[in-house]
Amino acid sequence: QQQVKQSPQSLIVQKGGIPIINCAYENTAFDYFPWYQQFPGKGPALLIAIRPDVSEKKEGRFTISFNKSAKQFSLHIMDSQPGDSATYFCAAWGGATNKLIFGTGTLLAVQP
Amino acid sequence: DGGITQSPKYLFRKEGQNVTLSCEQNLNHDAMYWYRQDPGQGLRLIYYSQIVNDFQKGDIAEGYSVSREKKESFPLTVTSAQKNPTAFYLCASSEGWGTQYFGPGTRLLVL
Repeated sequence: QQQVKQSPQSLIVQKGGIPIINCAYENTAFDYFPWYQQFPGKGPALLIAIRPDVSEKKEGRFTISFNKSAKQFSLHIMDSQPGDSATYFCAAWGGATNKLIFGTGTLLAVQP
Repeated sequence: DGGITQSPKYLFRKEGQNVTLSCEQNLNHDAMYWYRQDPGQGLRLIYYSQIVNDFQKGDIAEGYSVSREKKESFPLTVTSAQKNPTAFYLCASSEGWGTQYFGPGTRLLVL
């Protein structure tokens, strides 16, 4: 119940494409869903986050879509660039613990 | 300039040796966390602390120890009992809920 399942494990797109990363959860007590971006050898950095009372949030080229009934959320990267090549983690917060539950990560490669 | 600092960037451990990783934050956050990241893998929680002088085990606490004597500091000791310590260690802090902010990490290698 505490897991967040993330897919795909890796993803290759051409420059300008729209990679989509999906996450699913079981615990309906989760009420905050951030996405993190991590470059090799660096710490993860917060990219964008959403609460379940909205179905979509955009920040620049990054969009989160949220489907509360399906308990799924996804990250879309519009007009992807080689500089977006990184590992992306979804996460979920809420419930009885004060822990952020992370997905297993998606390694994205954007080819020029 | 607020943020989280970790030191050293690289750390080498000899067999049987205890080593301590430093984590300092000036964000005035109550909660701090330690994660371990292995190549191509996600983040696994080692220990976390929600308030000074209190901390809880995470999912993989065996072979590690922590202290939280000051709000700004949350050092992690990798003991000789941790038989496979080679990994990238990440410290994070938060206001107690939701968003966690990460430091730059420490890479631990075994000689």
